[in-house]
Amino acid sequence: QVQLVESGGGVVQPGRPLRLSCAASGFTFSGYAMHWVRQAPGKGLEWVALITYDGSNEYYPNSVKGRFTISRDNSKSTLFLQMNSLRSEDTAIYYCVKDRRASSASGLLDNWGQGTLVTVSS
Amino acid sequence: DLQLTQSPSSLSASVGDRVTITCQASQDINNYLNWYQQKPGRAPKLLIYDASNLETGVPSRFSGSGSGTHFTFTISSLQPDDFATYSCQQYEYLPPLTFGGGTKVEIK
Repeated sequence: QVQLVESGGGVVQPGRPLRLSCAASGFTFSGYAMHWVRQAPGKGLEWVALITYDGSNEYYPNSVKGRFTISRDNSKSTLFLQMNSLRSEDTAIYYCVKDRRASSASGLLDNWGQGTLVTVSS
Repeated sequence: DLQLTQSPSSLSASVGDRVTITCQASQDINNYLNWYQQKPGRAPKLLIYDASNLETGVPSRFSGSGSGTHFTFTISSLQPDDFATYSCQQYEYLPPLTFGGGTKVEIK
């Protein structure tokens, strides 16, 4: 079955960088677009980034554009999120999420990891 | 950006009750609307996709309907395991993906 295991979360000072990883298994990772979605404490879900199956295209909301970079290593079935210039409002659980459709990104999020907590605080 | 307005933000109900949640989109999103269930400390789980399609393995007491800008999510007979937060999400306009604010279903 599909497994997505995030790592790399922790406490980081404002302005500092952090890199999240997501190890994928149970499906052909190189065939699917992948997303990061976050959830601030007590708040709703917020989409953070999308990368196409081959890494050729990336998409971000305005809230993180220019600060966050999504990437992938298909040879290692691993997804990454590089977060720079972190702010207190980036404090959240970050989920690695698989897209339903093979090859093209649809936005239908069918499998979620358990999440990793990022706390931005001095 | 497209907005999804979910209502109510919370509700109290009893086991066996029929529960209905609505999601209103600020623009026509056809049927590109999904519903997720999230329990405390757990990741969201896809229940309904494309407005009315039940995800494999999800009990038939869950259902969804609607198209365009108005959508409804229904639990026909609330079970103890259903107390959770439910969120809608659109993917007609990508990027960005957008989520509704969530509806917390609590025990009365």
